[in-house]
Amino acid sequence: DQQVKQNSPSLSVQEGRISILNCDYTNSMFDYFLWYKKYPAEGPTFLISISSIKDKNEDGRFTVFLNKSAKHLSLHIVPSQPGDSAVYFCAASANNQGGKLIFGQGTELSVKP
Amino acid sequence: DAGVIQSPRHEVTEMGQEVTLRCKPISGHNSLFWYRQTMMRGLELLIYFNNNVPIDDSGMPEDRFSAKMPNASFSTLKIQPSEPRDSAVYFCASETGPGNTIYFGEGSWLTVV
Repeated sequence: DQQVKQNSPSLSVQEGRISILNCDYTNSMFDYFLWYKKYPAEGPTFLISISSIKDKNEDGRFTVFLNKSAKHLSLHIVPSQPGDSAVYFCAASANNQGGKLIFGQGTELSVKP
Repeated sequence: DAGVIQSPRHEVTEMGQEVTLRCKPISGHNSLFWYRQTMMRGLELLIYFNNNVPIDDSGMPEDRFSAKMPNASFSTLKIQPSEPRDSAVYFCASETGPGNTIYFGEGSWLTVV
C-alpha cells in the first residue's frame, strides 16, 4: 500500500525551462512534506520541505506547493540547470507517527543543455 | 562533521549466506532509520529506532531480516539467510528527533547471487 506516490518515473526538461515534479499522498494524517534529491552512488539529501499549515514554500530556484484538499504536492525548479539532473524523492510524515518518513518511488529528472 | 557512516559500501554474497550491514549515525542524533531502495517501491522504510529502542519494524520484509541498535552510535541490519530478491541499496539515516531533517548515509549496495 503506497501512501506516497510519484507517478512519473522520469522527466526530461530543457535547460532554463521549468521542471515540475509531482507527488500524491493518501494519508490525511500527514502534516509535513519534504523533497529529497539523490545523485547516483550517493545517499538522498534534503532539498526543501513544507508544513501542512502552508501552501507554498520557496527557496531560491526551488518552490514546493501543497494542495491539501487534493492531497497533492509539487516541486518547481526554475530555471532548471544540468546540475539538477538527479532522482527526486517526495516524502511525508505525520506528527503522531514519531517522525517516520514515508517516501515515494522517485522521479528521475534529466535537464538537457 | 562526519555524516552517517555505512559499511560495507558494496557487498556481493551467495544466496543463503548471512549479510550484516552496519551504520554509525551522526553524533547526537536520537533517531535512526533503515531504508531499502528498489526500482518498484522507491525508498521503503524497514525499521526505525528512537533512543536505541525499535519503534516501528512493520516494514521489515520477513523474519530473515533483523536489526539491532545496542548503543547510540551503532546499528546493524542483518539478513539471514540472504536471497537474490534482497539485492538492493540499503540506506541508514538519522535525525535529531521527530520532525527534523533526516540525514542519509551513502548506502550499502547488496548483491545476492
